[in-house]
Amino acid sequence: QQQVKQSPQSLIVQKGGISIINCAYENTAFDYFPWYQQFPGKGPALLIAIRPDVSEKKEGRFTISFNKSAKQFSLHIMDSQPGDSATYFCAASGSGGGNKLTFGTGTQLKVEL
Amino acid sequence: DSGVTQTPKHLITATGQRVTLRCSPRSGDLSVYWYQQSLDQGLQFLIQYYNGEERAKGNILERFSAQQFPDLHSELNLSSLELGDSALYFCASSLGTVNTGELFFGEGSRLTVL
Repeated sequence: QQQVKQSPQSLIVQKGGISIINCAYENTAFDYFPWYQQFPGKGPALLIAIRPDVSEKKEGRFTISFNKSAKQFSLHIMDSQPGDSATYFCAASGSGGGNKLTFGTGTQLKVEL
Repeated sequence: DSGVTQTPKHLITATGQRVTLRCSPRSGDLSVYWYQQSLDQGLQFLIQYYNGEERAKGNILERFSAQQFPDLHSELNLSSLELGDSALYFCASSLGTVNTGELFFGEGSRLTVL
C-alpha cells in the first residue's frame, strides 16, 4: 500500500519557469515531510523539509507548501535551471518512529534551455 | 559526498545465487537503513538497524537478511536471487532514531540478476 502519492511522474519546464511537484499522504501519524533530490548515479540527498505545524518553508529557490487538512504538500522550484534536472522524491517520516522514510514514487524533472 | 560508503557499486549474478552488499555509515552515525530502488516501485524501505539492533522492518523478503556489526557497518544478504531482485540497493545512515527526516544515502549497489 502506497502511503505517499506523488505526481507528476515526469515534468519538463523551460529555464526560468516554475516547477511544481505534488504529494499526498494518508497516514496522519507522519510528522516530518522532507524532499530529496537525486542525480543519476547518486543517492538521494535532502533538499528541504517541513513539519506540519508550518504551512510554508522557503530555502532559496525551493519552497514547500503544506496543507495539513488536505494531507497534501508540494515543492515549488522557482526560476528553474538546467542544473535542477534530477529526480525529486517527496517523503514522510514519523509513522512507527525511528526516522525511517516513506517515499513517493519520484518525479523526473528536466529543465530545458 | 555523503560519507556513506557502499560496496560493491555493481554486481551481476545468476538466479538462485546469494550476494552480500556492504555499507559503512557516516562517522558517528548509529542508525543504518536499507532501501531498494526499482523503476516501478520507487524507493522501498527494507530494514533499519540502530547500534546493532533491528529497529524497524519494512517490505523485506524472507530471502533477504541484514545485520549491523559492532563497528556499525552493515551487510544486506540476498539469497535465492530472482530476476525481480534486480535493482539499486541503497544504504543510508543517521545519527540516531530521532525523527529528523534526514538520512544520508550512499551511492548505491546496482544488482543485476540474469
